[in-house]
Amino acid sequence: QVQLQESGPGLVKPSQTLSLTCTVSGDSITSGGFYWTWIRQYPGKGLEWIGYIYHTGITHYNPSLTSRVTMSVDTSKNEFSLKVTSVTAADTAVYYCARDRRTWGLDVWGQGTTVIVSS
Amino acid sequence: EIVLTQSPGTLSLSPGDRATLSCRASQSVSAAYLAWYQQRPGQAPRLLIYASSTRATGIPDRFSGSGSGTDFTLTISRLEPEDFAVYYCQQYVNSRTFGQGTRLEIK
Repeated sequence: QVQLQESGPGLVKPSQTLSLTCTVSGDSITSGGFYWTWIRQYPGKGLEWIGYIYHTGITHYNPSLTSRVTMSVDTSKNEFSLKVTSVTAADTAVYYCARDRRTWGLDVWGQGTTVIVSS
Repeated sequence: EIVLTQSPGTLSLSPGDRATLSCRASQSVSAAYLAWYQQRPGQAPRLLIYASSTRATGIPDRFSGSGSGTDFTLTISRLEPEDFAVYYCQQYVNSRTFGQGTRLEIK
């Protein structure tokens, strides 16, 4: 059974870079042709798709975030990562990683990690 | 960007009732690229339906999806106590976007 686990600092200062990692267990990140995805949820609000990365390194980002977002993948560690630069309080959210099974939707999710942007 | 608008924002029903949730897209979405998710308080979203009408693994048959073009519907035939949650639709034909959610609450 595939499981995803987010990790990273829970508190980031304004103007700094938010960095999160998602560790995949139960299967190889290179198998199945999945898109490895980041999504965030503002406090008490809906979901925002941030983007995804394929195991080859191909990425697709939300156009509204593309200037500040970078995703990477480390197949040797079976993990993928998210960086968001120049953060503000508006980046405070619960960040989820998930497996995008293309036409089959986001079928596996991590539990989510809360990131607060504050000085 | 394809904008998804869900209605109603909040739906108040009782256990045993039938729930009908709507998702309208700003432009046509292939039925193959529309999904529904359930999110209970404090939990990550869970995939319910993909390709507009196919139930994900382990999802009870009281959940059903339908629709095409710009109008899609999630129906819960007989509400169980655990079904009271927030529901999101998502399109994945053109990038990916989510609707703003419908909160299903106990009346």
